[in-house]
Amino acid sequence: DTGVSQDPRHKITKRGQNVTFRCDPISEHNRLYWYRQTLGQGPEFLTYFQNEAQLEKSRLLSDRFSAERPKGSFSTLEIQRTEQGDSAMYLCASSLTDYQETQYFGPGTRLLVL
Amino acid sequence: EDQVTQSPEALRLQEGESSSLNCSYTVSGLRGLFWYRQDPGKGPEFLFTLYSAGEEKEKERLKATLTKKESFLHITAPKPEDSATYLCAVQPFTGGGNKLTFGTGTQLKVEL
Repeated sequence: DTGVSQDPRHKITKRGQNVTFRCDPISEHNRLYWYRQTLGQGPEFLTYFQNEAQLEKSRLLSDRFSAERPKGSFSTLEIQRTEQGDSAMYLCASSLTDYQETQYFGPGTRLLVL
Repeated sequence: EDQVTQSPEALRLQEGESSSLNCSYTVSGLRGLFWYRQDPGKGPEFLFTLYSAGEEKEKERLKATLTKKESFLHITAPKPEDSATYLCAVQPFTGGGNKLTFGTGTQLKVEL
């Protein structure tokens, strides 16, 4: 069990550019979550997948954001036309659908939009 | 809407000086209350889940307790390596997703 992995760990981009982040969950976990965390705040929910189906999206997820989880394995989060307000840590978590439903987090991708 | 409030925002302790962190919550039916530890620049690390009032869990120098309105994370005889931000989160009983709603955390610094 290698844990949740995310790539890249850091990304610097210019305003208006598109960026894509990848998350690889723990292998047997069927649920995958994306959160966003800004400095001094707790993580905020963005969206979640059960297998390949995207079941919930936060109102924080504007139409510039899109997430996919093809074949229920890894997931990607794309931000189009980035804005300075998108600068944050993007966290991925995964869980196994069972009674405990513990979410295990990856190391995050730190995005800086210049 | 689910809400989580953590206090204090920051706490400075001397090594060996025990203390408690507070997490107050409002949720439409609590499925679970979670404690995570987060080191700077890293993702949250799972510590505990509590499901019902009166439940307690322990791990090394940490002990988490739960009532119907709040949870406490007790730190006994802390060491400098316990320095981190401690996050509390609630998970509601809902028909759909199982998202976590987090507080803003308590930043703990343990000094020699």
